[in-house]
Amino acid sequence: GNSVTQMEGPVTLSEEAFLTINCTYTATGYPSLFWYVQYPGEGLQLLLKATKADDKGSNKGFEATYRKETTSFHLEKGSVQVSDSAVYFCALNNQGGKLIFGQGTELSVKP
Amino acid sequence: NAGVTQTPKFQVLKTGQSMTLQCAQDMNHNSMYWYRQDPGMGLRLIYYSASEGTTDKGEVPNGYNVSRLNKREFSLRLESAAPSQTSVYFCASSELQGRGDTEAFFGQGTRLTVV
Repeated sequence: GNSVTQMEGPVTLSEEAFLTINCTYTATGYPSLFWYVQYPGEGLQLLLKATKADDKGSNKGFEATYRKETTSFHLEKGSVQVSDSAVYFCALNNQGGKLIFGQGTELSVKP
Repeated sequence: NAGVTQTPKFQVLKTGQSMTLQCAQDMNHNSMYWYRQDPGMGLRLIYYSASEGTTDKGEVPNGYNVSRLNKREFSLRLESAAPSQTSVYFCASSELQGRGDTEAFFGQGTRLTVV
């Protein structure tokens, strides 16, 4: 069946460092791919998405490119801030709006 | 703009007790979902409702029941709580049935502890 695998956390970075969180997927067909973010004590909110191969999703300085050849959707940001500290989830659409999530990666950014 | 509202936010149950988690959305979405979040496992789908009047099992439905009361409300019931159901529960909704790229909107979660 379809699945999503993320790099394990926690990830600790200094402010202004470069961020990469790896995400790979297994799926039949061509699912849409998402990154959701969960700030402490809150629910998940959509960070960015891509719906077909080679699409690049971007938002708030974060980017991810849908790579069909490597079945990947890695999240990147050039310069992280303390306010980016959160848990990040990679997900794919598994028919009818149902989402399959990776295990989540906790990011902690220190001043 | 409330979005998706879940109640309660926190709950402690004794093993064998029952309870219902409530969820309501004000975005006129067709589809609603219940997920549970456990450390190291991400979110897993318990049940979903593609449209008013329909419900279907997700990945981990055992021990749960759901009711799609109307288009706005989707409740999750634990008939006889077990410690394995200790988790954070999220309700979500999305706009159109079957749209693969549709954003899901999440509630703030219910932290449930079963002792």
